[in-house]
Amino acid sequence: SQKIEQNSEALNIQEGKTATLTCNYTNYSPAYLQWYRQDPGRGPVFLLLIRENEKEKRKERLKVTFDTTLKQSLFHITASQPADSATYLCALPGAGTASKLTFGTGTRLQVTL
Amino acid sequence: NAGVMQNPRHLVRRRGQEARLRCSPMKGHSHVYWYRQLPEEGLKFMVYLQKENIIDESGMPKERFSAEFPKEGPSILRIQQVVRGDSAAYFCASSPAREEQYFGPGTRLTVT
Repeated sequence: SQKIEQNSEALNIQEGKTATLTCNYTNYSPAYLQWYRQDPGRGPVFLLLIRENEKEKRKERLKVTFDTTLKQSLFHITASQPADSATYLCALPGAGTASKLTFGTGTRLQVTL
Repeated sequence: NAGVMQNPRHLVRRRGQEARLRCSPMKGHSHVYWYRQLPEEGLKFMVYLQKENIIDESGMPKERFSAEFPKEGPSILRIQQVVRGDSAAYFCASSPAREEQYFGPGTRLTVT
């Protein structure tokens, strides 16, 4: 089964800086990779999906890269704001049955003034 | 368009009782997924359903757990004879296709 590694340590950055979160996976290369945001006591919120043939994808202040050779995705938040503080989850579809998602444990981001 | 709705938001059950968790997917979404999140752990897939069909239940314990998504009404996750280890947050997600998923607010189950 797919194993996903995200930095379990919280990432603390100053407002206005760029936050970079890492997602590494083992085993098979998925057809796509997704990033979600989760706030305490709430369900995850879908942010971005990047396909295996896409190197980079952007949405407003968010940027995701996908390197299938390194088996790694990087998630960037530029001009970070305190409201960006949350846990960010990387998710990959299962092999064969593409629908079920395997989630990483997430990286908690704290943006301070 | 209302989001995914789950109820109840909080559920307390004594050991041995039954827990019923409900999920109404977003309008137009025919794919429903259930996930469980234990404290300090990641989301774990339990089951994937489409209307009246269980597509993948590989993440669901074989005993005491069942799920359904009837032709009419919400999807139900049912846990019989609950034990303390069942205490967790249970999230439902829906999807119009097979890619991005939209999650509900979750049901927090506490077994005393």
